[in-house]
Amino acid sequence: RKEVEQDPGPFNVPEGATVAFNCTYSNSGSSQSFFWYRQDCRKEPKLLMSVYSSGNEDGRFTAQLNRASQYISLLIRDSKLSDSATYLCVSLSGGYNKLIFGAGTRLAVHP
Amino acid sequence: EAGVTQFPSHSVIEKGQTVTLRCDPISGHDNLYWYRRVMGKEIKFLLHFVKESKQDESGMPNNRFLAERTGGTYSTLKVQPAELEDSGVYFCASSLTGRLANTGELFFGEGSRLTVL
Repeated sequence: RKEVEQDPGPFNVPEGATVAFNCTYSNSGSSQSFFWYRQDCRKEPKLLMSVYSSGNEDGRFTAQLNRASQYISLLIRDSKLSDSATYLCVSLSGGYNKLIFGAGTRLAVHP
Repeated sequence: EAGVTQFPSHSVIEKGQTVTLRCDPISGHDNLYWYRRVMGKEIKFLLHFVKESKQDESGMPNNRFLAERTGGTYSTLKVQPAELEDSGVYFCASSLTGRLANTGELFFGEGSRLTVL
């Protein structure tokens, strides 16, 4: 089983829609950290936001972590065309130097 | 400020040939990482340098891969001899601190796409 699993999508949504992605993980330690990265087509991955157990929000983006159920979510409100990208769920290994990536969920926002 | 730069952006070689990929990290970043994404799979860790020392090379697939970072600045990743399954995108990343738990932020280059025929 992969350490981080995501639905590959694609999620096709109209502008203004709210969309949510989930990600499940395994082999967690209580101190394991999680992040969402964003990758545009043929570009490099870039950190979108960290994920905290208490939930955290950055503008239109909300990330949640449920350690009991071992899943992470990303909610995007009021989708923009520029949100079209692949969203990568990422965990940090226990050694704190190695990112473990999910395969990514592709989002396409259309007019 | 310049980001992480990688060269070449795309390389097409035949099976059995040698390819060397280069990465220039962000200036001042002691930590340098190599990752790769093979077709249809997730991005996977290859190794981690702290300055010129290999901190963790647990992700290196086999001894056909050799990474170096002489002088603790730029790094090279050599594949010799290349096999078909080595095709993919090789990403280099750098960070100021090796303890990523605080921010999880690695700065990635755009990647070197390797095609082995």
